[in-house]
Amino acid sequence: DGGITQSPKYLFRKEGQNVTLSCEQNLNHDAMYWYRQDPGQGLRLIYYSQIVNDFQKGDIAEGYSVSREKKESFPLTVTSAQKNPTAFYLCASSIGDSTGLDEQYFGPGTRLTVT
Amino acid sequence: DAKTTQPNSMESNEEEPVHLPCNHSTISGTDYIHWYRQLPSQGPEYVIHGLTSNVNNRMASLAIAEDRKSSTLILHRATLRDAAVYYCILRDGNDMRFGAGTRLTVKP
Repeated sequence: DGGITQSPKYLFRKEGQNVTLSCEQNLNHDAMYWYRQDPGQGLRLIYYSQIVNDFQKGDIAEGYSVSREKKESFPLTVTSAQKNPTAFYLCASSIGDSTGLDEQYFGPGTRLTVT
Repeated sequence: DAKTTQPNSMESNEEEPVHLPCNHSTISGTDYIHWYRQLPSQGPEYVIHGLTSNVNNRMASLAIAEDRKSSTLILHRATLRDAAVYYCILRDGNDMRFGAGTRLTVKP
């Protein structure tokens, strides 16, 4: 089955530790995205990548880092510099057409709790 | 950036039509109107999108005002599985900015 997988579903970390969230897609999509969602709010864009070995900051990139070494993988690292890391993290992918209007497919999300 | 305004919540009865409004008075000529929905504890899923003309697909219909300053997502017969948060989003390129959306409750 084609889709996006995120693991783990729940993640617990101590404050001061870096943590990496996994995102894999087998849809052969060029573009991938990371969003953050806080309770009762909409999604906010952290980083996005339109092609392998290239990525751009979104609205709230501070305290986060990404890599895009393979087309199917776009891991997100939440660093200790991120002041409020506890949130629901969502990964998405899309074909990546030139208009930027293509449908985004979302993974099931990872709920990160930092104490 | 152009913004959207949606009611915080709406209720509907099962098997009745639902009209979810969205205001976007500062929309630009190149902004497309997209709708996504998010079921509890899941990632959002695409519903529909349009530019100027009304659009229909298997999930819903999108009615766009002639001046494009507002739009309405129409679910023709709400089911319990349609209970979700519905997001109206203006897109001009890869940037998708989600607001808080409308939480739809469907009563049996």
